[in-house]
This record gives sequence, structure tokens and C-alpha cells, in this order.
Amino acid sequence: DIQMTQSPSTLSASVGDRVTIACRASQSISSWLAWYQQKPGKAPKLLIYKASSLESGVPSRFSGSGSGTEFTLTISSLQPDDFATYYCQQYNSYWTFGQGTKVEIK
Amino acid sequence: QVHLVESGGAVVQPGRSLRLSCAASGFSYSSHYIDWVRQAPGKGLEWVAAISFDGSNKYYADSVKGRFTISRDNSKNTLYLQMSSLRAEDTAVYYCARDRDGGSGFDYWGQGTLVAVSS
Repeated sequence: DIQMTQSPSTLSASVGDRVTIACRASQSISSWLAWYQQKPGKAPKLLIYKASSLESGVPSRFSGSGSGTEFTLTISSLQPDDFATYYCQQYNSYWTFGQGTKVEIK
Repeated sequence: QVHLVESGGAVVQPGRSLRLSCAASGFSYSSHYIDWVRQAPGKGLEWVAAISFDGSNKYYADSVKGRFTISRDNSKNTLYLQMSSLRAEDTAVYYCARDRDGGSGFDYWGQGTLVAVSS
């Protein structure tokens, strides 16, 4: 089974900050990685797929990078609507989510 | 417009069974894998099961293998999750999600249905 590990678990930031979330796979997953945003009481929303492809309608301040086992999600300038929990997901072999990173107001 | 609507969530006793449904509309249902993903209260997302276009291939997380069965009825655009031998740790919101094309993640999700396993 492929394990996904995100860091940090919680991140405190201010509006306008550049934010980076890391995701590590226990084995190579090529670029078969997605990122999701989830707000309390809501379903997750797809942000990034194939590690770096921006989902339609998602603001360009979101970007993804990486391949193999190391991946990052970057928010270039944090906006009030971005305070949420973010999950990575591998789909190279079955499907596995990371444990999540909560982005909270500093 | 793509819609996924789950139903069937309830409070059930440990060891009992429950069937969830997910009604889909707004897209070519039989052209997509569909998955179940759950989220325990205050916890992260956990992939549960997936089913191929025609239902011939099914995949399960180890935590539910042998207890849960995923199925679909393409004539009704409906996905099912038959859950048996339920445990307290199965308590969660269960989401159905559409796999766009096998290489792009889950692009549409339902609103979720709550299953609570308690005596």
C-alpha cells in the first residue's frame, strides 16, 4: 500500500502570505497526484491534478509541483477564502489520501 | 450540470447492515469509475471503494474488505455501498465521488451522508 504523508499538519498564516504544503509518497507515484481543498461541513474540491495541472475554475494563485515521491502545493498569496484543510491524494495504485493540512488564520 | 446525491445514512447498531445509494445526473454515468470516500468526525479523508465503468472491477480499502460491497446500476445511474458487520470505527460521512478519467482525480463529489454506528 502507498502511504501519503503531509506536512505540516497545521499551518498558521496571514492574508497575503505565500503558503507551501508538502506531501510525500512512500514510493514513486510518478505524477499521479491530486490536491483538494475542504471547508467545514462541505465536500472536498479538486484543485490540482497530475501534480501540477490546475483544475478549471481554480484561481491561479494555487499551483502544484513535484514528481516521484515529493510534491508541494503552493498558494502564492493567501486569500480569506483559502482558510481550509488541504489533502493530497495519490492515484498511481489504488487511491490514498494524506492526513490533511489545516491552514488557519495567524 | 453534474450532480451526485447520497442517501441511506442512519444510526445503526454494531454488527448490523446498511445500504447507501448515490444518484448521479448530468453526465454519461457509465463512462466513469465512481468511488466511495468517507470521513470520520473530525478526521481526514479515507478512500473506501471504487467500481469500474460496467461494475466488472471493484476495489476496496483493507479496512472494509470482506464487509462492504460496492455496486452500480447503470440503467438507474445509481451507485450503492452495501455495508455489513458495521463497527463503531465505520462511523463517518460517506461521500460518492466521480473519477474524471483515471488520471485527473475526483472532480465531482456528493454532499455526503452520515452513518453512525452506535449501540
